[in-house]
Amino acid sequence: AQKVTQAQTEISVVEKEDVTLDCVYETRDTTYYLFWYKQPPSGELVFLIRRNSFDEQNEISGRYSWNFQKSTSSFNFTITASQVVDSAVYFCALSEPHMNRDDKIIFGKGTRLHILP
Amino acid sequence: DAGVTQSPTHLIKTRGQQVTLRCSPKSGHDTVSWYQQALGQGPQFIFQYYEEEERQRGNFPDRFSGHQFPNYSSELNVNALLLGDSALYLCASSSERGGFTEAFFGQGTRLTVV
Repeated sequence: AQKVTQAQTEISVVEKEDVTLDCVYETRDTTYYLFWYKQPPSGELVFLIRRNSFDEQNEISGRYSWNFQKSTSSFNFTITASQVVDSAVYFCALSEPHMNRDDKIIFGKGTRLHILP
Repeated sequence: DAGVTQSPTHLIKTRGQQVTLRCSPKSGHDTVSWYQQALGQGPQFIFQYYEEEERQRGNFPDRFSGHQFPNYSSELNVNALLLGDSALYLCASSSERGGFTEAFFGQGTRLTVV
């Protein structure tokens, strides 16, 4: 069965510190996608990244970076030089897509990140 | 270009009542999925609609039903409301055409059952 575990329920760091959000997943399939979404207080889920199971290259986008390690079934997310605007709930998620579409997405329970000024 | 829009934003219902939530997908999208997000939890997949038919369903009772219209908009209906149905209901849209598109989410409808 598919499962996503985000062991960190809540994290607080001081602004400008780096912070890493952990994500461990379980799936029996060889083809799958991993995601990170951000949920600000407004409630909307904001797409951050999608990574397919065949691409283990790490990715960097500005202050955000993602470390995908298939050997440990982990897809961790690091924010460098955090800012107060990064405060939100972050969800790691997994799907087994068909025909290039996003099928059912399985979400973790989320990590609430507080960036303190 | 409007994103995914959901209505209403907030709703309060009494146990046993029925509720209908609405979703308009992002322009160009033809697939709509619904998720339930209880307080402090991640979203849980309810079902997905494509070409006006339910294509996939999560582990939700038959009290949860849906519909997709020819213009791709969708409704989520919940009958015989329970207190445990109180949650944020999120709609996501995506497209079958032109390769992968990630799911775009609306801001949700916060349903409170009293």
